Amino acid sequence: ELKVEQNPLFLSMQEGKNYTIYCNYSTTSDRLYWYRQDPGKSLESLFVLLSNGAVKQEGRLMASLDTKARLSTLHITAAVHDLSATYFCAVDVRARGTSYGKLTFGQGTILTVHP
Amino acid sequence: DAGVIQSPRHEVTEMGQEVTLRCKPISGHDYLFWYRQTMMRGLELLIYFNNNVPIDDSGMPEDRFSAKMPNASFSTLKIQPSEPRDSAVYFCASSWGLAGIRGWETQYFGPGTRLLVL
Repeated sequence: ELKVEQNPLFLSMQEGKNYTIYCNYSTTSDRLYWYRQDPGKSLESLFVLLSNGAVKQEGRLMASLDTKARLSTLHITAAVHDLSATYFCAVDVRARGTSYGKLTFGQGTILTVHP
Repeated sequence: DAGVIQSPRHEVTEMGQEVTLRCKPISGHDYLFWYRQTMMRGLELLIYFNNNVPIDDSGMPEDRFSAKMPNASFSTLKIQPSEPRDSAVYFCASSWGLAGIRGWETQYFGPGTRLLVL
């Protein structure tokens, strides 16, 4: 069974600081997603990483994928309050003979950015 | 585009009652997914469809749950009879299945239905 583990689960940051959220998964995959969820809201897609070494950046967030280490990171640069949310990684592992789309989500990292 | 539409947004019902959740995917998307989110279990995939056909329902918790997709623009998730442990937020998501279209690999989530079973 695929396991997806995020670390840390809770992150309290000061504005202006940098930090990294880690996402480890237990089986081979080259397709990893990062989503953001605000309290009481739906999930918003942030990044899709489709190959080993993929790196994507949007504003203060940068995501990377190392398929050999089965690890993805979400790096936050100079955090601002608006980044406070829960961040999920999700891994897509296709079983032989099936189509894509079966995502397994990590537990989520609750990020709070304070002054 | 209106995005994925779900109804109702909130549902409160009593144990034993039938509950039907509805989803309209983004027009043109050929994959549709149903997820459940709880504090204890996080986000779980229940079932997904491709071109209206169920592909994988291994996440459906038990026979009380059923899902249908009668056409490309509508899907239902039914719980009969409902139990308090079914209380959760149920999300519907949709995506393209055809590689090459911009954003094809992303699943777009609806606003969710918050279900409370008393």
